[in-house]
Amino acid sequence: AQTVTQSQPEMSVQEAETVTLSCTYDTSESDYYLFWYKQPPSRQMILVIRQEAYKQQNATENRFSVNFQKAAKSFSLKISDSQLGDAAMYFCAYRSANYGGSQGNLIFGKGTKLSVKP
Amino acid sequence: EPEVTQTPSHQVTQMGQEVILRCVPISNHLYFYWYRQILGQKVEFLVSFYNNEISEKSEIFDDQFSVERPDGSNFTLKIRSTKLEDSAMYFCASMERGASYNEQFFGPGTRLTVL
Repeated sequence: AQTVTQSQPEMSVQEAETVTLSCTYDTSESDYYLFWYKQPPSRQMILVIRQEAYKQQNATENRFSVNFQKAAKSFSLKISDSQLGDAAMYFCAYRSANYGGSQGNLIFGKGTKLSVKP
Repeated sequence: EPEVTQTPSHQVTQMGQEVILRCVPISNHLYFYWYRQILGQKVEFLVSFYNNEISEKSEIFDDQFSVERPDGSNFTLKIRSTKLEDSAMYFCASMERGASYNEQFFGPGTRLTVL
């Protein structure tokens, strides 16, 4: 079974600085998708960025980028020029690309709570 | 922008009581999910639903749980006889199409407290 591990329960960053959130996963599959979701306080989870495992190029969305190391099964999220609105829980998630009849449920890590200091 | 909504935001119930958690997915979405998060633990998959039937369920989703899409807009999760360990945040999600790459859109969650 696949597992996702986020080893940093909490992180803190100064406004305008850069922070990296770690995520590792375990799978025997070769084709899958990885996601970072953000959950602001009392709000729904929203997708920040996603990565297809068969793509070597790291995904980038504005100030958010990932460092995807497939051999190491690592998928870290880098937030550049941190803003106060980036403060949230961040969840790393895995989805198999091989449904086998399922509808592709997400497997989540425990999350990292990011604080942004003004 | 379309959103997934969930009601109630907080439900308190006595052990052994039935609860129904409600979700309104995004209108053109075809795939629906329930997840839960016990405080301090991982978000866990419960069940997925497509074409008016369960397509996958986890070990957590035992006979005490059921899902329904009664009217083409709502998507409900029923817990027949709640236990203390059912206390958690329950998230509904929907997805437009079944491709792995597609985004699941989440609701804000219902906090269930079982006393």
